[in-house]
Amino acid sequence: SQKIEQNSEALNIQEGKTATLTCNYTNYSPAYLQWYRQDPGRGPVFLLLIRENEKEKRKERLKVTFDTTLKQSLFHITASQPADSATYLCALEDRGSTLGRLYFGRGTQLTVWP
Amino acid sequence: EAGVTQFPSHSVIEKGQTVTLRCDPISGHDNLYWYRRVMGKEIKFLLHFVKESKQDESGMPNNRFLAERTGGTYSTLKVQPAELEDSGVYFCASSHGQGSTYEQYFGPGTRLTVT
Repeated sequence: SQKIEQNSEALNIQEGKTATLTCNYTNYSPAYLQWYRQDPGRGPVFLLLIRENEKEKRKERLKVTFDTTLKQSLFHITASQPADSATYLCALEDRGSTLGRLYFGRGTQLTVWP
Repeated sequence: EAGVTQFPSHSVIEKGQTVTLRCDPISGHDNLYWYRRVMGKEIKFLLHFVKESKQDESGMPNNRFLAERTGGTYSTLKVQPAELEDSGVYFCASSHGQGSTYEQYFGPGTRLTVT
């Protein structure tokens, strides 16, 4: 089965800096990788999806990279703002077997301070 | 457009009792998923419906859990009898097309506490 690891439980950065979150996985099969944001008391909200044949995806201040050699995805938030403070979840879909099912990491809690 | 809704938002029951959770997906979404997050752990998959059919139920912990999706609209997840380890937050998600090429929309979750 897939194992997803998000290296940092918590990340604290100053407003205006770039936040970089890491997601590592095993048993690549191939895979699609998604990033979600979760606020307290709410369900995860989809941010970006990247396929195994894509190196990079961007959406406004967000950027995701996918390195299938390292089995790693990096999630960047540029010009971070206090409103970006939340838990960010990495989720992987194993396209070789169980379509639709997502394997989640435990998440990284990002705090952006003014 | 209404999002995914779940009922109740919180439920506190005693060990051995029965609880039924409900999920209303976004209208027109064929795919419906149930996930669970136990305290301190990651969100884990329970099962996946495509319309009214169970596509994948390999994540269901045991036969105390029963999910249904009659008519391919809303879904219920029944836990009977509940055990202490069933406590956690149960999320429902829906998506439009096949697989997760389409993003999954999550509900706010039902927090279940078994005492």
